Amino acid sequence: DAGVTQSPTHLIKTRGQHVTLRCSPISGHKSVSWYQQVLGQGPQFIFQYYEKEERGRGNFPDRFSARQFPNYSSELNVNALLLGDSALYLCASSLLRDTYEQYFGPGTRLTVT
Amino acid sequence: RKEVEQDPGPFNVPEGATVAFNCTYSNSASQSFFWYRQDCRKEPKLLMSVYSSGNEDGRFTAQLNRASQYISLLIRDSKLSDSATYLCVVYPSGSARQLTFGSGTQLTVLP
Repeated sequence: DAGVTQSPTHLIKTRGQHVTLRCSPISGHKSVSWYQQVLGQGPQFIFQYYEKEERGRGNFPDRFSARQFPNYSSELNVNALLLGDSALYLCASSLLRDTYEQYFGPGTRLTVT
Repeated sequence: RKEVEQDPGPFNVPEGATVAFNCTYSNSASQSFFWYRQDCRKEPKLLMSVYSSGNEDGRFTAQLNRASQYISLLIRDSKLSDSATYLCVVYPSGSARQLTFGSGTQLTVLP
């Protein structure tokens, strides 16, 4: 069975630009969570989507937004990129809304120059 | 204060050594506790859950002290392949009910 997939693998953007990251959960999983991992830190929760609705939001500015599609895949959008947005963006899928059993994708490494 | 605090290391130990990592958490409502392993530039992967009674998986032993809000991981007979960053994780995190990660402790096992 395919695990969580994310695209693209790597991305280089310039300050002020916009970026869209994509995630496909494990088949049958209805929840997708997004995490940001800055170098030297642990992953930090950004959003959770379950059944296409936002169910949780971390302490991130409004430049960050996300959505979930009917097939449960998800997009994370970041506007007006800052140098500090350079990070590994991880997507995790889970079967249930409230569960610690989350399966992480390989991540998208975003570099903002 | 961070919700989950870990000694960042790095820990550099010779093969065969025993090494211990510690972690403290601030949210007394946290219900579940884990250690994740993250290899360089890869996604974190669950290493083991942590229970109050303590649990062991081969060379790895995890312990939870709820009264002190303290979690530990002991690795015996270290292997080169144990070199990685070890992340302490608690669940749930406030109203969002998400995983909260520590900053990680970097381990390098030397030949």
